[in-house]
Amino acid sequence: NAGVTQTPKFQVLKTGQSMTLQCAQDMNHEYMSWYRQDPGMGLRLIHYSVGAGITDQGEVPNGYNVSRSTTEDFPLRLLSAAPSQTSVYFCASRTGLADNEQFFGPGTRLTVL
Amino acid sequence: GEDVEQSLFLSVREGDSSVINCTYTDSSSTYLYWYKQEPGAGLQLLTYIFSNMDMKQDQRLTVLLNKKDKHLSLRIADTQTGDSAIYFCAESSPNTDKLIFGTGTRLQVFP
Repeated sequence: NAGVTQTPKFQVLKTGQSMTLQCAQDMNHEYMSWYRQDPGMGLRLIHYSVGAGITDQGEVPNGYNVSRSTTEDFPLRLLSAAPSQTSVYFCASRTGLADNEQFFGPGTRLTVL
Repeated sequence: GEDVEQSLFLSVREGDSSVINCTYTDSSSTYLYWYKQEPGAGLQLLTYIFSNMDMKQDQRLTVLLNKKDKHLSLRIADTQTGDSAIYFCAESSPNTDKLIFGTGTRLQVFP
């Protein structure tokens, strides 16, 4: 199993540009989540999904969209990038509620100029 | 609201024990976790504890939970340079996928 994969690893955008951060998992996990990590603030939940076709907002959803058309993929879209979205983004997945371990991808470091 | 707090830095000598502390506010938390993040990498689950337990030991790791004070700690015995990383505690509420993370504690181990 490849686990949770994310692409790209690094990205630089200009203010106002759009892009999609890709996340995929091959463990047949129902739950997938996107977090952003900022210095001194830990990880904050952006959006999450409890299964294909179902998504919900986390703590900091503004400026981001998600979709979950398949179990494997959970892309995160930035519609109009802003400098405040400069961060490291982590995708995570796990099985149902009874399973505790959340597997994290390696992260995408995004800089918005 | 939910909030998880940790001190930002801890520095210990190799071979000593490290104790990383965490406080949380959600009394309905069912699981509490410790994650480790090495430089340039994602988070890896180290251990977790159910809220009805006081202590859990796993090799060099000991987790203590004081539910009355909402205080969680991670003790690493015989700390090694390879233990240098950022350690996050996290809590989850019943029936949700949401993990609420602390700010992370950067552990530095010096020879």
